Amino acid sequence: TQLLEQSPQFLSIQEGENLTVYCNSSSVFSSLQWYRQEPGEGPVLLVTVVTGGEVKKLKRLTFQFGDARKDSSLHITAAQPGDTGLYLCAGGAGNMLTFGGGTRLMVKP
Amino acid sequence: NAGVTQTPKFRILKIGQSMTLQCTQDMNHNYMYWYRQDPGMGLKLIYYSVGAGITDKGEVPNGYNVSRSTTEDFPLRLELAAPSQTSVYFCASSLTGAYSNQPQHFGDGTRLSIL
Repeated sequence: TQLLEQSPQFLSIQEGENLTVYCNSSSVFSSLQWYRQEPGEGPVLLVTVVTGGEVKKLKRLTFQFGDARKDSSLHITAAQPGDTGLYLCAGGAGNMLTFGGGTRLMVKP
Repeated sequence: NAGVTQTPKFRILKIGQSMTLQCTQDMNHNYMYWYRQDPGMGLKLIYYSVGAGITDKGEVPNGYNVSRSTTEDFPLRLELAAPSQTSVYFCASSLTGAYSNQPQHFGDGTRLSIL
């Protein structure tokens, strides 16, 4: 069974601060996806990274896939209250995605 | 586009009752999935389907059954509800499997309580 561990589980910060969320596994994945979920809704895809060492930027969010394709990170610059939510990483292998346990982020104004 | 639609949005069941969670998608996606999400946790795969007539178990299939008679619909059935099945259930679909890096599109979930 492939496992993905996310850290931290919870993060409460002030508006304007920077933060990094980590997603780690002992298994190799063909891809790594990051989703964001708001209360009462399903997860929505933010980004997919495929190549080891790949870096993708989405406005203030920077996503990186580890060289060995076993880990990934999400860095948010100058966090805003609108960034509040549950961030989920998911590793792709075969037909299925394996989801991490999530990082719940709260950004206070 | 409606995307992935789940019904009902909320349901309370008594122990031992049965029910079917409905899921339909209008994107002509081949792959469909059922996940459960316990409070503050990630998603665990219950069952998935790669096309009409084909289903396979995920990580936590015990206590659940599925069928896929059409491309659009993928219902999830609970035969004998147990308190451990209290959770939020999400249905998702994708054009192809994870091997092709396709995104999964999720419904808004069914919140199920078993008392």
